[in-house]
Amino acid sequence: KQEVTQIPAALSVPEGENLVLNCSFTDSAIYNLQWFRQDPGKGLTSLLLIQSSQREQTSGRLNASLDKSSGRSTLYIAASQPGDSATYLCAALDDKIIFGKGTRLHILP
Amino acid sequence: GAVVSQHPSWVICKSGTSVKIECRSLDFQATTMFWYRQFPKQSLMLMATSNEGSKATYEQGVEKDKFLINHASLTLSTLTVTSAHPEDSSFYICSARPGHGSYEQYFGPGTRLTVT
Repeated sequence: KQEVTQIPAALSVPEGENLVLNCSFTDSAIYNLQWFRQDPGKGLTSLLLIQSSQREQTSGRLNASLDKSSGRSTLYIAASQPGDSATYLCAALDDKIIFGKGTRLHILP
Repeated sequence: GAVVSQHPSWVICKSGTSVKIECRSLDFQATTMFWYRQFPKQSLMLMATSNEGSKATYEQGVEKDKFLINHASLTLSTLTVTSAHPEDSSFYICSARPGHGSYEQYFGPGTRLTVT
């Protein structure tokens, strides 16, 4: 049974810093690994999708990496801004999507 | 492209009544739709998977007689919460998968259900 773990559960950093969010999954037989952002009381915004054959994806200040063999993915956020404050969820996709519990990120102005 | 809508976006109902939530794929046909539930400060938990024209597959611990799922067409799935209780109050999110070899899912904006 796939399990997805995200570390840390919460993170506060000053504006402008670079940061890394971690995600691990137990079953490496995934099709994709996807990172989402969720603002309080809102739905999901897809940030990056990494196909199982890929190693990383980039979008603006965001870079996500995938190491299937070790069951790990990271989301790197460069030059953080207060608007980046949200909960970040990673999800492993096979026949279903299994979500981690998320990292609540707070960027201090 | 790949837009999924949900209706209503929020609903308040009295305990004991039933509530129907709709999930629509607006610009693609969804062979499979998924329903998730999210309690405050928790992650999304998969409730059930539905394929068009067949019965939904429920995750362990989800009561199929309480959460009725109908996937009547390739663009519409409905979740009916029957005999709702306050503990059913939650954020319900659907997602849709186009199929055709793609495993990506597209998520709806969610429905906030409050049972009083």
